[in-house]
Amino acid sequence: EVQLLESGGGLVQPGGSLRLSCAASGFTLGSYGMSWVRQAPGKGLEWVSAIYRGGSAYYADSVRGRFTISRDHSKSTLYLQMKSLRVEDTAVYYCVRDLKNYDILTAFPDWGQGTLVTVSS
Amino acid sequence: QSALAQPPSASGSPGQSVTISCTGTSSDVGAYNFVSWYQQHPGKAPKLLVYEVSERPSGVPDRFSGSKSGNTASLTVSGLQAEDEADYYCSSYAGSHNYVFGTGTKVTVL
Repeated sequence: EVQLLESGGGLVQPGGSLRLSCAASGFTLGSYGMSWVRQAPGKGLEWVSAIYRGGSAYYADSVRGRFTISRDHSKSTLYLQMKSLRVEDTAVYYCVRDLKNYDILTAFPDWGQGTLVTVSS
Repeated sequence: QSALAQPPSASGSPGQSVTISCTGTSSDVGAYNFVSWYQQHPGKAPKLLVYEVSERPSGVPDRFSGSKSGNTASLTVSGLQAEDEADYYCSSYAGSHNYVFGTGTKVTVL
């Protein structure tokens, strides 16, 4: 059974940094593309970033240059390093696994429970 | 990348059908068959209902069906049940390693 468990969320001031983690089990992390998807309070879903099997990383325009996605195969853990945080980055951040092992984004059948990031002074 | 357009709300009585539209562009919905639909209950993570326009993951009832015509995709929920009351989001691969979600539709079972 695929399980994704996020951690690392919390309250941070504007301009601050935070690193989210996603512990993956039930599959080999490096065999699938992985993404982060966020949802601001009362709002819709927004794709944030993805890392493909080969390690290529991609970002939404809204976070490019401020967020970095990475993974540690030995720990089977996905990360999202977030810097220069803004009030508008406040959201629940979900770790998701791609349906296919293609090097494009197809669909997300597996989601974590989410971790809340609040950016506020 | 702009969000795909969905109606804010839709409703139907138990047993009826409701169809939700998802309008994109020739760069996302119209260009790829990687269109998906998700159901989200309050306080829960989204659940994949349909992928690749019309495919259902195992365990998803066949009451949920998807289709696409041009730049618009649709999700039909047949035989509405009380537990179908939720938010629904479409999504699509948008090229250049981008992925876009819809604005979301709140389905109410009357």
